[in-house]
Amino acid sequence: AQSVTQPDIHITVSEGASLELRCNYSYGATPYLFWYVQSPGQGLQLLLKYFSGDTLVQGIKGFEAEFKRSQSSFNLRKPSVHWSDAAEYFCAVGAAGNAGKSTFGDGTTLTVKP
Amino acid sequence: DAGVIQSPRHEVTEMGQEVTLRCKPISGHDYLFWYRQTMMRGLELLIYFNNNVPIDDSGMPEDRFSAKMPNASFSTLKIQPSEPRDSAVYFCASSLEPQVAPGELFFGEGSRLTVL
Repeated sequence: AQSVTQPDIHITVSEGASLELRCNYSYGATPYLFWYVQSPGQGLQLLLKYFSGDTLVQGIKGFEAEFKRSQSSFNLRKPSVHWSDAAEYFCAVGAAGNAGKSTFGDGTTLTVKP
Repeated sequence: DAGVIQSPRHEVTEMGQEVTLRCKPISGHDYLFWYRQTMMRGLELLIYFNNNVPIDDSGMPEDRFSAKMPNASFSTLKIQPSEPRDSAVYFCASSLEPQVAPGELFFGEGSRLTVL
C-alpha cells in the first residue's frame, strides 16, 4: 500500500526567505508524485508532478521539487517566499496501476511573516 | 475550460435533513472522485467513478451516504439523514485516464456543509 508522510504540520518563514517542505513516501514501484496547494476557502491546485525523467521538477508559482529515490523523498522548495504563498500544501503519491487514486499526506500549513 | 464545478458552495442544514451535493467534472475526464476534508481526519477519499461506474466506495462512511453519476457530466453525493459529524468540506475532483496522467487531480472549490 502506498503512503505519504509530511513530517511538518506547520511551518513559519519570513517573506523573502527560502522554503523547504518535506515529503516522504512509501510505495513499492515507481511512484507518481504530486504537490498540491490549497489556499483558504479554495480547492486543491496542482503545483507540480513527477512521473519520470529529470528528478528536479519545476512547477507553477516558482516552486520546484526534487525526487530522491534513495531517501524516498519528494521535498518542495522555493528560493524566496512571498506572502501570497501562505496556504496548506499537500504531497500525494499515485500509481497508474491503482486506477488513478492518489494518497495524500496530512498537509503542511505555511505561514509567512512580513 | 471551466474546471470542476461544485454546488452549493455552502450549505447549512439541520440534523436529520437530506443533503445533496452536486459536481460537474471537466469535460473529457474519465474519473470522478469525492473527497471529504475535516480538521481531524484530513482529506479522505469517499468514492470514485470511472466512466460513470462506481469503482471503489470503501471510503463511504455509512449507509447514510450515497453517490451517483448518471452521466459523464454530473455526479451527486447525498447524505440522508445528515448528522452534525458530517460537517466538513466536500470536494469533487476529476482526472483523465491514468495512462495519460496518472493520478493528477483537478479539484472543485468544495462544498462546505454545516449540520446543526
